[in-house]
Amino acid sequence: EIVLTQSPGTLSLSPGERATLSCRASQSISSSYLAWYQQKPGQAPRLLIYGASSRATGIPDRFSGSGSGTDFTLTISRLEPEDFAVYYCQQYGSSLFTFGPGTKVDIK
Amino acid sequence: EVQLVQSGAEVKKPGESLKISCKGSGYSFTSYWIGWVRQMPGKGLEWMGIIYPGDSDTRYSPSFQGQVTISADKSISTTYLQWSSLKASDTALYYCARQGSNPALYAFEVWGQGTRVTVSS
Repeated sequence: EIVLTQSPGTLSLSPGERATLSCRASQSISSSYLAWYQQKPGQAPRLLIYGASSRATGIPDRFSGSGSGTDFTLTISRLEPEDFAVYYCQQYGSSLFTFGPGTKVDIK
Repeated sequence: EVQLVQSGAEVKKPGESLKISCKGSGYSFTSYWIGWVRQMPGKGLEWMGIIYPGDSDTRYSPSFQGQVTISADKSISTTYLQWSSLKASDTALYYCARQGSNPALYAFEVWGQGTRVTVSS
């Protein structure tokens, strides 16, 4: 089973700053199989990025994804007030899905 | 509009059985995988398993294999998550989520609103 590790656990930033979130897999995965989600308190998760770098429908272009192999990154170019949330990466492999533990982006 | 609507909150005692539901609408129900995701209080997302309603092909996370049963009734566009004997540690928020449309096939694009399950004596 592939294990995902996310870092940092918490990222404290101010609106307007750039956020860089990391997701590392315990073994190499296809970029097609890596996704990112945003979850705000009291809400269901929302798909942001699929295939490591493709934005889901309606996602602003300040969100971007990159990476390959075992290392993937979600970047938020300029944080808006509504971007403070928890972010999860997720992978698919061998008919199984796993989520990373999440990175909380909070207001500094 | 594509949506998944889950059944309401449940309060149960340890040892009791439970079946919660997730009804899909606005799309071809039999053509997309639907997964179940657990979120324990204050914790992250855990993938439990997934079902293809077209033929009821089901896969489970090793962590949940044997602990829950996922099923589907395509005649009413509904998938289910079932426990035969609840434990206090099953207390959590449970989401159903639909596979994405091509090319987002390996992501969960549509989510239900969640069903809160509380198990307490």
